Amino acid sequence: DVKVTQSSRYLVKRTGEKVFLECVQDMDHENMFWYRQDPGLGLRLIYFSYDVKMKEKGDIPEGYSVSREKKERFSLILESASTNQTSMYLCASRGTGDTETQYFGPGTRLLVL
Amino acid sequence: GQNIDQPTEMTATEGAIVQINCTYQTSGFNGLFWYQQHAGEAPTFLSYNVLDGLEEKGRFSSFLSRSKGYSYLLLKELQMKDSASYLCAVIDSNYQLIWGAGTKLIIKP
Repeated sequence: DVKVTQSSRYLVKRTGEKVFLECVQDMDHENMFWYRQDPGLGLRLIYFSYDVKMKEKGDIPEGYSVSREKKERFSLILESASTNQTSMYLCASRGTGDTETQYFGPGTRLLVL
Repeated sequence: GQNIDQPTEMTATEGAIVQINCTYQTSGFNGLFWYQQHAGEAPTFLSYNVLDGLEEKGRFSSFLSRSKGYSYLLLKELQMKDSASYLCAVIDSNYQLIWGAGTKLIIKP
């Protein structure tokens, strides 16, 4: 059974803090994605990775960075959290086929005060 | 620009049928997904259409017309557990997934 896990379900941080969100998948998928989801805006792609140590910017990469040191793990980093980064963060993974389904983790709801 | 339109919210009655529409304008087309997302949870896959026509899967069906840039998700015999958001997403010519904002479906007894 497909499984994508995220390190936290809920997180509260202060403005200026460095924040790490971790995602792990057990499906040996090459492709991994980080999205944020805000009401009325749908899912917006922050970064994605198609292989270990590879990363590509999505639609809204500003204020974020990522790390993919191992195939199963994809980390999202907020170098200096700001209140406008309060959101739901969703990680997803997908196999090699470009039209394959993405499998999502449970999400991390981040509040930046 | 690329755009996917879905109604923001719909209401239906338990036991009834509801159709959720999705129209898209994207640079190319390589398939369309429907996902279901319960409040506070991750989206889960419902269907994938790449050819025109209707795909039926139990109580849920998904239709695609590529010439019209249009899809719908049809839910029959609605149950209270179908209350959720339904997300439409299109794969464009660069194989990027473009997401709609989702339709919140409210089921009333």
